[in-house]
Amino acid sequence: AQKITQTQPGMFVQEKEAVTLDCTYDTSDPSYGLFWYKQPSSGEMIFLIYQGSYDQQNATEGRYSLNFQKARKSANLVISASQLGDSAMYFCASSRSNYKLTFGKGTLLTVNP
Amino acid sequence: NAGVTQTPKFQVLKTGQSMTLQCAQDMNHEYMSWYRQDPGMGLRLIHYSVGAGITDQGEVPNGYNVSRSTTEDFPLRLLSAAPSQTSVYFCASVSPTSANEQFFGPGTRLTVL
Repeated sequence: AQKITQTQPGMFVQEKEAVTLDCTYDTSDPSYGLFWYKQPSSGEMIFLIYQGSYDQQNATEGRYSLNFQKARKSANLVISASQLGDSAMYFCASSRSNYKLTFGKGTLLTVNP
Repeated sequence: NAGVTQTPKFQVLKTGQSMTLQCAQDMNHEYMSWYRQDPGMGLRLIHYSVGAGITDQGEVPNGYNVSRSTTEDFPLRLLSAAPSQTSVYFCASVSPTSANEQFFGPGTRLTVL
């Protein structure tokens, strides 16, 4: 079984600053994927970024990057130049097969002006 | 493309009533999943399907039934609703050739009194 731990229930960041959201995972599968999703107050789930366990380089998507440290089993999300619209709940998830995601409990990010 | 659609958006049931949450996708994805989201719990997998006629249980399947007669549709049935099934339900789909993004529907908010 896979397990995701997000230790930060809430985080605050000033607009235009960078913020790191922590995620650690526990899996015995040799091949897996790591995901980050954003859930704004409107409730929809928005895919942000994906990292495969065999990917050599950290994934990046615009202002989002995934700091993947395989030995430490961590997959932290870094948001650069935070914007007010980044205020939302952020979920880390893992999957051995891409249709069965295991989610963490989430981190509520608040961006202050 | 409408993506993943879910109906209804909101529903209130009385304990013991039955109902079906509808999910449809128009992306010809073989894989579809149902998740529930409870406060402080993140999303948890209820049931999933890897193709028409094939379904399997996820992490929290008790009290729910599914079937997959077509690629497009994946309904979730509550046979006898209980207050513990009060939650937000998300349907998701993904292509087996895609390593990453699951496409989520907008969710159904269900309250069982």
